[in-house]
Amino acid sequence: NAGVTQTPKFQVLKTGQSMTLQCAQDMNHEYMSWYRQDPGMGLRLIHYSVGAGITDQGEVPNGYNVSRSTTEDFPLRLLSAAPSQTSVYFCASSRTLNYGYTFGSGTRLTVV
Amino acid sequence: SQQGEEDPQALSIQEGENATMNCSYKTSINNLQWYRQNSGRGLVHLILIRSNEREKHSGRLRVTLDTSKKSSSLLITASRAADTASYFCATDAQGLQGAQKLVFGQGTRLTINP
Repeated sequence: NAGVTQTPKFQVLKTGQSMTLQCAQDMNHEYMSWYRQDPGMGLRLIHYSVGAGITDQGEVPNGYNVSRSTTEDFPLRLLSAAPSQTSVYFCASSRTLNYGYTFGSGTRLTVV
Repeated sequence: SQQGEEDPQALSIQEGENATMNCSYKTSINNLQWYRQNSGRGLVHLILIRSNEREKHSGRLRVTLDTSKKSSSLLITASRAADTASYFCATDAQGLQGAQKLVFGQGTRLTINP
C-alpha cells in the first residue's frame, strides 16, 4: 500500500515549457486534489476531482489542466510554464470529505 | 480568498507548555480538519470534527468547534520538541458544480524550545 505517489520530486522548467505532474493513489479514493504551497500563502487549491470523469476548478486554476480518466490517477498539466508557477505542488486523496486527506510528498517545481 | 484563517501566524513556547492555535472560517461547514506539516514534507491529517460536535480529543490534541462564531481551536498539551511544525485547519466548501472541496488556511508555525 503506497498511499499517494507524486512524480517527479523535483523539476526545473524553462518559461513556456509544458509538463505533467503525476499523482497516483492505490487506496481506491474518490476524492483527489492538487494544491500549491508558496511561502506565507498556505495551501491553495488548484483543481479537484470527486470521481473518475468529474473535475472542478479550485482557487487558482489558471495555467493548469487536469483530467481524471481512472480512479487511481490525477495528473496536473502545466500548459506553458511561467515563473509565477514556481512552487511546491501537493496531491492529496480521500475516500470522501468526511475523512482526512492523505497527502503525497510533493513536487518542487522551479520555472526559470 | 481562502476559507480558513489561523491565528497566530507563529507561536514559540517552551517544551512542556500547552500550545493553542485558532482557526476562523467564513461559510457554513460540514466538518473541519486539522493537519500538521513538518518542514519540507507533505501534510499529515490529525483530527476531523463534524459540525454537530463541539469538542474532540486525540491523545494530546484537543479540538473545539464553535459554529456560531465560525471558529475552531487546536490545543496541544505537554508540548514536545517533535511537535515543532506548521499546523493548518481545513474546511469543506461548495464547488461550482455542487461538489465539496477542501480548502486550507495559511497555517500556524509552532516552535517548541527545549
